Amino acid sequence: KQEVTQIPAALSVPEGENLVLNCSFTDSAIYNLQWFRQDPGKGLTSLLLIQSSQREQTSGRLNASLDKSSGRSTLYIAASQPGDSATYLCAVRGGANNLFFGTGTRLTVIP
Amino acid sequence: DGGITQSPKYLFRKEGQNVTLSCEQNLNHDAMYWYRQDPGQGLRLIYYSQIVNDFQKGDIAEGYSVSREKKESFPLTVTSAQKNPTAFYLCASRITGSDSPLHFGNGTRLTVT
Repeated sequence: KQEVTQIPAALSVPEGENLVLNCSFTDSAIYNLQWFRQDPGKGLTSLLLIQSSQREQTSGRLNASLDKSSGRSTLYIAASQPGDSATYLCAVRGGANNLFFGTGTRLTVIP
Repeated sequence: DGGITQSPKYLFRKEGQNVTLSCEQNLNHDAMYWYRQDPGQGLRLIYYSQIVNDFQKGDIAEGYSVSREKKESFPLTVTSAQKNPTAFYLCASRITGSDSPLHFGNGTRLTVT
């Protein structure tokens, strides 16, 4: 069964710093990988989706990369802001309705 | 605005009572999903539906039931058979037949005492 791991579980950085969040998965046979943001007590907001044939996707200050062969994805956040504070989750799609989630990295950006 | 509406935001029930969580979407998505989120665990799939009048069990369907009578609606009933129902429940939807992203509602926090 696919296992998705996100390390570290929590991360604190000063405002303005660039940072990288990591996601690893055990089975490289995936359709796509999606990064989400979750604010406390809220649902998940989709940030980026990378198809299995792609290497990266960018949206504003966010850049997500995918290395399927090594089972890794990273989410790069440039020039972090306090508003970026949230939990970031990655999820891999292994089939039509098989979406496997990591447990997330809780990010705190300190003003 | 298009989106997914879950209601209520907070729900309190006594043990032994069934409770139904509402999920409505106006995104015209065919597929809808229910997930459960517990602290320190990834989201786990309860039930999903790809088309009206059809639904499938996910990884943790025991103690739950769903219906899909309308495309826009996918209510989840937490029955008294669910041994540990207190959790955060998330409804999601997506377009089927493509690698489209999953969209989520804002969740319902259920507390059973």
